[in-house]
Amino acid sequence: EAGVTQSPTHLIKTRGQQATLRCSPISGHTSVYWYQQALGLGLQFLLWYDEGEERNRGNFPPRFSGRQFPNYSSELNVNALELEDSALYLCASSPRGAGEETQYFGPGTRLLVL
Amino acid sequence: GESVGLHLPTLSVQEGDNSIINCAYSNSASDYFIWYKQESGKGPQFIIDIRSNMDKRQGQRVTVLLNKTVKHLSLQIAATQPGDSAVYFCAENWDNYGQNFVFGPGTRLSVLP
Repeated sequence: EAGVTQSPTHLIKTRGQQATLRCSPISGHTSVYWYQQALGLGLQFLLWYDEGEERNRGNFPPRFSGRQFPNYSSELNVNALELEDSALYLCASSPRGAGEETQYFGPGTRLLVL
Repeated sequence: GESVGLHLPTLSVQEGDNSIINCAYSNSASDYFIWYKQESGKGPQFIIDIRSNMDKRQGQRVTVLLNKTVKHLSLQIAATQPGDSAVYFCAENWDNYGQNFVFGPGTRLSVLP
């Protein structure tokens, strides 16, 4: 069974541009989570989608947004990129959105903002 | 490969020895905890989990201990191998509905030959 996949693996943008990151969850998983892992920092929770709806978001500005498609894949969009947005963006999925479900991570997308 | 942190605490152990990695969690109401392993250039990989109604849980070569009194979690790795070299971090779930896991900063485990 395939794990969580993310694309692209690396992305280079300049300040002010927009970035779109994609995630495909494990088959059968309905929840998708996005995290930012900046150098020197731990994982910071960004967004949680379940059944096509945003269920929760972390302490990030509105220029971080996303959506979940009917096939449960997800996109993370970052508008008006800033230098400090450079980080590894990780996507995770779990079988359902409520309760204590283990999250399984993808390999991440490394975003570099110049 | 990429690093996940330049100033992470580092634990160096001899191959074959046991490793103990510690984590202090923040919320006494957290009731579910996970240990993850992250190798260079890869996403975090689930190792073992434990719920707050347990003090200890064992897996293959790994044991997690939970001390709710002092909000402390530890991961023990038996007979540490070179492939165990990675960053390890704990995660606590303090909002069941919100699925808002909070992750610790991590500890880098270095296995010496």
